[in-house]
Amino acid sequence: GAVVSQHPSWVICKSGTSVKIECRSLDFQATTMFWYRQFPKQSLMLMATSNEGSKATYEQGVEKDKFLINHASLTLSTLTVTSAHPEDSSFYICSARGQRGGWDTQYFGPGTRLTVL
Amino acid sequence: KNEVEQSPQNLTAQEGEFITINCSYSVGISALHWLQQHPGGGIVSLFMLSSGKKKHGRLIATINIQEKHSSLHITASHPRDSAVYICAVSSMDSNYQLIWGAGTKLIIKP
Repeated sequence: GAVVSQHPSWVICKSGTSVKIECRSLDFQATTMFWYRQFPKQSLMLMATSNEGSKATYEQGVEKDKFLINHASLTLSTLTVTSAHPEDSSFYICSARGQRGGWDTQYFGPGTRLTVL
Repeated sequence: KNEVEQSPQNLTAQEGEFITINCSYSVGISALHWLQQHPGGGIVSLFMLSSGKKKHGRLIATINIQEKHSSLHITASHPRDSAVYICAVSSMDSNYQLIWGAGTKLIIKP
């Protein structure tokens, strides 16, 4: 079964609204969470890396005030797209890294498709 | 030159054929991932490898650390295997951030 879940799996919103995407590690503690986005027919692009309890590290070109990341617990990270615009429409994927079954491991969420009208 | 190279970029085969997708990388890694992305975007983690070989159903993944090369094999391919297969490596030089291959688009015809 799934080890990392994302919610929602898809969302449609109006321009100017904010959207929150949740990423949960289901049976292990994720010390690090990664957020990616993917535009059509392109590779995934890392947006930011967050370690539990500390501020996220954003990649160059990613607006931290627009893409708010919270990693308040070892099993939950959230990405909030603030004041979303049509150009933010994309596929957002999280990945969680931590110890599972005694092994250092990393799993991917199934992704969230965001469409901004 | 990209740090992670996949080949082929596109592959079309007939149902039942044995499929091989290759991934070469040029950086030191702590792990290599194979992922499957279906049309519509859903991503499934297939394998995470740091050495040797893993098998799950009709899928087999191998990695040769010395040669910095990994292969994903699909036996008895089926049209439902049609998807984009992505190789990604977790670089030892970064905080486990992934370096992605460009993906291989696989189409299996009935």
